[in-house]
Amino acid sequence: EIVLTQFPDTLSVSPGGSATLSCRASQWIASSYLVWYQQKPGQAPRLVMYSTSNRAIGIPDRFSGSGSGTQFTLTISRLEPEDLAVYYCQQYGTSSLSFGGGTKVEIE
Amino acid sequence: QVQLRESGPGLVKPSQTLSLSCTVSGGSINGPEYYWNWIRQSPGKGLEWIGYIYYNGNSYYNSSLKSRASISLGTSTTQFSLKLRSVTVADTAVYYCARFSPAYYFDYWGPGLLVTVSS
Repeated sequence: EIVLTQFPDTLSVSPGGSATLSCRASQWIASSYLVWYQQKPGQAPRLVMYSTSNRAIGIPDRFSGSGSGTQFTLTISRLEPEDLAVYYCQQYGTSSLSFGGGTKVEIE
Repeated sequence: QVQLRESGPGLVKPSQTLSLSCTVSGGSINGPEYYWNWIRQSPGKGLEWIGYIYYNGNSYYNSSLKSRASISLGTSTTQFSLKLRSVTVADTAVYYCARFSPAYYFDYWGPGLLVTVSS
């Protein structure tokens, strides 16, 4: 099974700054199978990015995704208070799925 | 609009079986497009995929839970269920049901149900 490792665990960013979140896979993943979610306290996760670099409906263009193979990145530019959350990457493999451990984005 | 909702007891005793249901409204689970999943989140922790079931009854599980988890289709086309045997306090979590789409992401989630394992 593929293990996803996210880093850092916590990212402190100044208002208006940028956040770069990393997700590393233990095996090669097709770009189509790498997804990012945002989760706020008390809520179910919300889709942010699919197929590595495609923004979900309603996600502002401040969010961008990139990567390939075993290294993937979610970048949030011009950080706004509403972006404070935990972000998870997730992959789909043959008959299995897995999530990364999450990165918490907080205001510095 | 598709909606999912988890239901079941919020308190389960250690060594017993946790049984939850997910009711889907605005759609049916009786089709080949989607996988129907259970995911959990222990307090203050990350997301853990438990497993999924397909419309034909085929199911797949996280290897760490495979020996204790069982996902089944309900008697109607709008329900599926989770059973987790021999629970311990480590199984205390918010349990989510979610739909996995052909685009390889979870597109609809239930609100989640907190299940506490305690004597």
